Amino acid sequence: GAGVSQSPRYKVAKRGQDVALRCDPISGHVSLFWYQQALGQGPEFLTYFQNEAQLDKSGLPSDRFFAERPEGSVSTLKIQRTQQEDSAVYLCASSLEQGEARGKGQETQYFGPGTRLLVL
Amino acid sequence: AQSVTQPDIHITVSEGASLELRCNYSYGATPYLFWYVQSPGQGLQLLLKYFSGDTLVQGIKGFEAEFKRSQSSFNLRKPSVHWSDAAEYFCAVGLSNFGNEKLTFGTGTRLTIIP
Repeated sequence: GAGVSQSPRYKVAKRGQDVALRCDPISGHVSLFWYQQALGQGPEFLTYFQNEAQLDKSGLPSDRFFAERPEGSVSTLKIQRTQQEDSAVYLCASSLEQGEARGKGQETQYFGPGTRLLVL
Repeated sequence: AQSVTQPDIHITVSEGASLELRCNYSYGATPYLFWYVQSPGQGLQLLLKYFSGDTLVQGIKGFEAEFKRSQSSFNLRKPSVHWSDAAEYFCAVGLSNFGNEKLTFGTGTRLTIIP
């Protein structure tokens, strides 16, 4: 089946603009993660959903960042009043189940191709 | 707090030579360990993972990794590299926080293959 898809693949924004990044997880995957990858760095955790519930948003760098997954499938990461330091690749990942499925081969996170955001 | 260290920023090896990429982690319990590969403009692809059991783990594309608890290491190896292996490699640790397996990544090792 199809993997994780993200759109747009590239986004150029002027400083102060709002942007919305979309993630379509693998069908049936319960968990969804957003990561931010700055140039030359490894991905860093932003937020996590289990179905429609946002269970962890500890990695969101500021209140300008907001994520939602209203129907437990597609997720949107919104950045308000973008700043130059927001320039990065935003990666989305999904996994089938967490918690009780631990160790049963279902925890693997499958990543999308990312959205490269450049703020000028 | 957990952390992952990949001490080699950039490694160059000849095609056909063996490869070892180093990864050290800092975590209070037995972690879940992963190796991902990222080609330019692409997302992360899982090479292999360790949860428990046999400490030598086989992955895709001929890669393997060995978990050594005493050294807090999870090094990635391949006996003979191919030009297509040129990419960025990331080691990651999963927390044992029940129900939320957010990953903590190292800074990556860029692999260059020369003819």
